[in-house]
Amino acid sequence: KQEVTQIPAALSVPEGENLVLNCSFTDSAIYNLQWFRQDPGKGLTSLLLIQSSQREQTSGRLNASLDKSSGRSTLYIAASQPGDSATYLCAVSKAAGNKLTFGGGTRVLVKP
Amino acid sequence: GAGVSQSPRYKVAKRGQDVALRCDPISGHVSLFWYQQALGQGPEFLTYFQNEAQLDKSGLPSDRFFAERPEGSVSTLKIQRTQQEDSAVYLCASSLLRTGYEQYFGPGTRLTVT
Repeated sequence: KQEVTQIPAALSVPEGENLVLNCSFTDSAIYNLQWFRQDPGKGLTSLLLIQSSQREQTSGRLNASLDKSSGRSTLYIAASQPGDSATYLCAVSKAAGNKLTFGGGTRVLVKP
Repeated sequence: GAGVSQSPRYKVAKRGQDVALRCDPISGHVSLFWYQQALGQGPEFLTYFQNEAQLDKSGLPSDRFFAERPEGSVSTLKIQRTQQEDSAVYLCASSLLRTGYEQYFGPGTRLTVT
């Protein structure tokens, strides 16, 4: 059974510092991996999707890497801002169009 | 809006009541998923539809949970005889059957069972 772990569970940084969020999964036979952002009381906003054949994806200040063989993904957020404060979740899918298995999330606080 | 919508946004039920939660997926999205998110945890899969066919219901926690999507668009998640442990946020997501299969989530329904 696939298990997804996110460490740390919570992170607090001063504004301007780069954020590094980790995600690990036990079964490397994945189809894709998605990173999401969740604000309090809100749904999930998709940030980046990485196919299993890709090594990384970038969008603005966000960069996500994938090392499928070692079961790890890292989300980098450059030059953090207070508006980046949220919970970040990673999730993997075993097959095309399949359900997502989520990690527990990392709660991020960026202090002005 | 063009996103996934869910209603109601908040629902308070007394233990033993039945509830129905609605999901309107993005137009044209073939796949529809329901997830349950307990406080402080990541979402957990409940069930999956492709058009009107329920292809996977392995995550439904008990036979009190029932989902349907009769015309392949709107879906309803029904919980019968609600229990306190059913209190959670219920999230709906939809996706196309192509272009990476990215899932798009609605805002969720927060269910509180008293």
